[in-house]
Amino acid sequence: DTGVSQDPRHKITKRGQNVTFRCDPISEHNRLYWYRQTLGQGPEFLTYFQNEAQLEKSRLLSDRFSAERPKGSFSTLEIQRTEQGDSAMYLCASSPDRGNTGELFFGEGSRLTVL
Amino acid sequence: KQEVTQIPAALSVPEGENLVLNCSFTDSAIYNLQWFRQDPGKGLTSLLLIQSSQREQTSGRLNASLDKSSGRSTLYIAASQPGDSATYLCAVGGDSGSRLTFGEGTQLTVNP
Repeated sequence: DTGVSQDPRHKITKRGQNVTFRCDPISEHNRLYWYRQTLGQGPEFLTYFQNEAQLEKSRLLSDRFSAERPKGSFSTLEIQRTEQGDSAMYLCASSPDRGNTGELFFGEGSRLTVL
Repeated sequence: KQEVTQIPAALSVPEGENLVLNCSFTDSAIYNLQWFRQDPGKGLTSLLLIQSSQREQTSGRLNASLDKSSGRSTLYIAASQPGDSATYLCAVGGDSGSRLTFGEGTQLTVNP
């Protein structure tokens, strides 16, 4: 399968703990995006990478959130000192540079539950 | 700031009906518009992508239209089936590499 892969699919943690999610984009897709989706809402943009450069961050991405894409391939999203309000589905998407139509391809998401 | 609204929030129809889902956006300076399907607890599956210069796109029983000047898009589903039951999300792209702004979705139930 060459789609966007996310890990873990589900994570349950206690308030105050740190969690990390990983995203592997479609091979050769230079652009990688993180979105957050709470129940009953549409996804909200968090951040965007082109290769290893983080080009845009939403105000939703507080100081407790950090995203990296060190070699321009996979990306990680870390949440420090989790709060109950962080409970959500974290979605990763990728798109190519060449011939870019702006179409995004999403993974299955990582669901976070903070107790 | 771009805002995207989807109407209705929920829709229940009998199998075989043709139906229309609506999406409106406040800023007409868009790069593209994308319709997605989301099954419960799952990620997003891209259905149709319309570039800002296009008026419509078709895939099988799905047809999406775009009217930039009025800030509207519609997703038409022909001969609906129970397997079409899902949440349908509309998203607007501001430029070639930036964020998508999503609506809250329309939850569709097709009854056998």
